[in-house]
Amino acid sequence: NAGVTQTPKFQVLKTGQSMTLQCAQDMNHNSMYWYRQDPGMGLRLIYYSASEGTTDKGEVPNGYNVSRLNKREFSLRLESAAPSQTSVYFCASSERDRSGYTFGSGTRLTVV
Amino acid sequence: AQSVTQLGSHVSVSEGALVLLRCNYSSSVPPYLFWYVQYPNQGLQLLLKYTSAATLVKGINDFEAEFKKSETSFHLTKPSAHMSDAAEYFCAVTGTASKLTFGTGTRLQVTL
Repeated sequence: NAGVTQTPKFQVLKTGQSMTLQCAQDMNHNSMYWYRQDPGMGLRLIYYSASEGTTDKGEVPNGYNVSRLNKREFSLRLESAAPSQTSVYFCASSERDRSGYTFGSGTRLTVV
Repeated sequence: AQSVTQLGSHVSVSEGALVLLRCNYSSSVPPYLFWYVQYPNQGLQLLLKYTSAATLVKGINDFEAEFKKSETSFHLTKPSAHMSDAAEYFCAVTGTASKLTFGTGTRLQVTL
């Protein structure tokens, strides 16, 4: 099915470990996004990529890095995980400005 | 800059009753507005969006929302709640770019 695919779906890390969350879309969308969702705080933008080859910080970028590998793929890296990064992470993509997003199903990350 | 405020983090209605979820926005430019729904352990799905074509917007599953510029509101309504409507609902806004700013969400509970 066409859409946004995130891997893994679940992950448990120890403090200080690193990992990369993968995201791929097959809708030929230009823009891609990483959000985190925490109870009572809605979704907060971590990083986004308006087009292939560009990335920009969002509201909460500290502790994260991203790579827009090609038009389809946008990965999120935690270099040294902290318990404060325990969250549900969503990747999304959009076709053009103001068109709205298509979301992936999320990655539930726990840092112990 | 854009922002949204969702009044009421939890709303409870009886099956068959009117659903009203409130969203107020702030935007320095004419906004595009969106409502998304999130079922447990899933990603977000687009319910409807306002793109300045018509102030009353109809979405999926009999949901609709009315854009009121004078009140800076975009409240979501459904005439008759169904048990399957139980979920979390997010209002979001964008200005001229593709990035969305989300509210903190309203959890809808539907009781018998």
